[in-house]
Amino acid sequence: GAVVSQHPSRVICKSGTSVKIECRSLDFQATTMFWYRQFPKQSLMLMATSNEGSKATYEQGVEKDKFLINHASLTLSTLTVTSAHPEDSSFYICSGAGGPNNEQFFGPGTRLTVL
Amino acid sequence: GQQLNQSPQSMFIQEGEDVSMNCTSSSIFNTWLWYKQDPGEGPVLLIALYKAGELTSNGRLTAQFGITRKDSFLNISASIPSDVGIYFCAGQPRVTGTASKLTFGTGTRLQVTL
Repeated sequence: GAVVSQHPSRVICKSGTSVKIECRSLDFQATTMFWYRQFPKQSLMLMATSNEGSKATYEQGVEKDKFLINHASLTLSTLTVTSAHPEDSSFYICSGAGGPNNEQFFGPGTRLTVL
Repeated sequence: GQQLNQSPQSMFIQEGEDVSMNCTSSSIFNTWLWYKQDPGEGPVLLIALYKAGELTSNGRLTAQFGITRKDSFLNISASIPSDVGIYFCAGQPRVTGTASKLTFGTGTRLQVTL
C-alpha cells in the first residue's frame, strides 16, 4: 500500500505556543488529505478535509482559525495548532487519498501534549 | 460529528477462538471499510467492501457489506495474539470521483489470551 508519513511523531509544548505537524504522501500524489483527531480510548474524528491548492473544509465545531491547514502540494499538507492549550492534547492523524478508488492511506499519527 | 455504532465495545477471547464484530449506521454508505489500529499508530486498512451484499476475505478475516448498505460485519477466525488491537469500521458515501470523508465506528478493543 501507499505510504504516508507524519512529522513529528510526538511533540510536547507549552501552553500558548503554536505547533506545526507535517503530513507527506511518500509514493503517491494525494489530491485530498484529511486530518483527524483521536482522544484516548475514542475513535477518530474528522477535523477537516484539505484539497491541494484550495482552502480546507472544516467539520462542525472545529475552529478554522485555531487549526490552520495548508495543502500547498500534492504530497504535503500541514496542520498548525495555534496558541495550543492543554485541551488540545491529542493524537492527530492525517490521511492521503489516492488510487482509482480514492482509498485513504493513514499516517502514523502525531502525539501532541500541551503543558 | 457522526459516529457509527460498533459492537461489541471490547472482547476478551482465547487464542484460537473466532471473533465477530459488527457496525450499524442510520444512513446508507456506498463503501464499508475495516481498519486495525495498534497503540500509538495510525489505522491500517484490513478489508474494503464496495458492493451491497459483498463478502470479502483477507486471510483469516472475512467481512460483509450488508444488503441494506447500513451495516457491515467482520469475522476473524482462529485468533492469534497479534490480533490484539482496536478494530474500526468506517463508512464512505461514494466510491469514485473526488475523495469523500470517512465516518468511523466507535471501535472494538480485542484482547487475546493464550
